[in-house]
Amino acid sequence: QVQLVQSGAEVKKPGSSVKVSCKASGGTLSNDSISWVRQAPGQGLEWMGKIIPMFGMTTYAQKFQGRVTISVDASTNIAYMELGRLRSEDTAVYYCARDLTVTTGASYFDYWGQGSLVTVSS
Amino acid sequence: DIQMTQSPSTLSASVGDRVTITCRASENISSWLAWYQQKPGKAPNLLIHKASTLEGGVPSRFSGSGSGTEFTLTISSLQPDDFATYYCQQYNNYYPTFGQGTKVEIK
Repeated sequence: QVQLVQSGAEVKKPGSSVKVSCKASGGTLSNDSISWVRQAPGQGLEWMGKIIPMFGMTTYAQKFQGRVTISVDASTNIAYMELGRLRSEDTAVYYCARDLTVTTGASYFDYWGQGSLVTVSS
Repeated sequence: DIQMTQSPSTLSASVGDRVTITCRASENISSWLAWYQQKPGKAPNLLIHKASTLEGGVPSRFSGSGSGTEFTLTISSLQPDDFATYYCQQYNNYYPTFGQGTKVEIK
């Protein structure tokens, strides 16, 4: 069974960057795609982007293009999401999720990390 | 982006009630729809994919139906563990999007 364990809560200043990690066990990130989804306080779910480690491919939501980088270290089975130029509206819980891609090229998500709260405040 | 609209936003129901949540897509998404349950402080949990395929371990009181632009999630007999927020999600193109959520509350 796949388990995704994320890094802890962070407090960041506006304009800075944050890098959240997601360690996979029970599977390898060489075979699995990972997406990142965020949830602002009291709000819904928002997909940010994904990585297909096998092909080294990333796809990002247009909203985050140029500000987000998703990467994987296959040797340690850890995925990362780095978000830059942080603003207060980026305060949210960030989830990694195993990404099951279908023939449309899009995905749904069967295993999720526990979430990492990122607070952006001056 | 494909917009997903759920109704109602909040639903008050009692244990044993039959509950139906609707999800509408802004364009045809065939059957590329998933449903998730989320409890406070927890990650979402996948219930259904491809509109009607129940995930392993999900109770049979949950069912999904629909295709094209209109979909429903039905809980045949609401149980105490089912009070939560439910989200639909389309995966018809490279950019998955979620509905805004339906909170199922105790009446």
